[in-house]
Amino acid sequence: DIQMTQSPSSLSASVGDRVTITCRASQGISNYLAWFQQKPGKAPKSLIYGASSLQSGVPLKFSGSGSGTDFTLTISDLQPEDFATYYCQQYFSFPVSFGGGTEVEIK
Amino acid sequence: VHLLESGGGLVQRGGSLRLSCAASGFTFGTSAMSWVRQAPGKGLEWVSTISGHGETIKYADSVKGRFTVSRDNVKNVLSLQMNDLSAEDTAHYFCAKGTYSGVLSAFDFWGQGTLVTVSS
Repeated sequence: DIQMTQSPSSLSASVGDRVTITCRASQGISNYLAWFQQKPGKAPKSLIYGASSLQSGVPLKFSGSGSGTDFTLTISDLQPEDFATYYCQQYFSFPVSFGGGTEVEIK
Repeated sequence: VHLLESGGGLVQRGGSLRLSCAASGFTFGTSAMSWVRQAPGKGLEWVSTISGHGETIKYADSVKGRFTVSRDNVKNVLSLQMNDLSAEDTAHYFCAKGTYSGVLSAFDFWGQGTLVTVSS
């Protein structure tokens, strides 16, 4: 099974900051990597698929990169609505697996 | 796209429950569908995926042999039959739409979830 490790598990940032979240796969997954945003009490929202392609309607402030085992999600110009928990997920092979999440908090 | 889960509730250990996910706004049979769960205060856990025409089904080891996923491409409904439930199955259950019909596809839309609570 492929293990997904996110870092950091949490971070504090200010409005206007740029933040980067890292996701590492225990083995190569090509670009079969997705990112999701989840706010408290809400369903996850799909942000990125294929490691770097934005889902429809997702603002350009979100960007993803990486291939193989190492991936990043970058959020530019952090706004109050961006404070949430972010998850990566590999869909290269079953069982598909999620990272443990990164909580982005307001400093 | 709209996904609406239902069927959650309180059930005793060893009991059964059937979840449904009513889909609209897209051609249901062209998308794989998945169930993902989230225990209270925990992260996301994949449960099961069924291909667009139902010919391929995958389960997490934690539910294999107890849960059965199915779909009705006429009624546009995804279902999850859950048997022999335990406390570890307590979670919010989300249905998620795949970007194409194959089982290994990214998720693009999620339902709002339904809560399953298993009491001991």
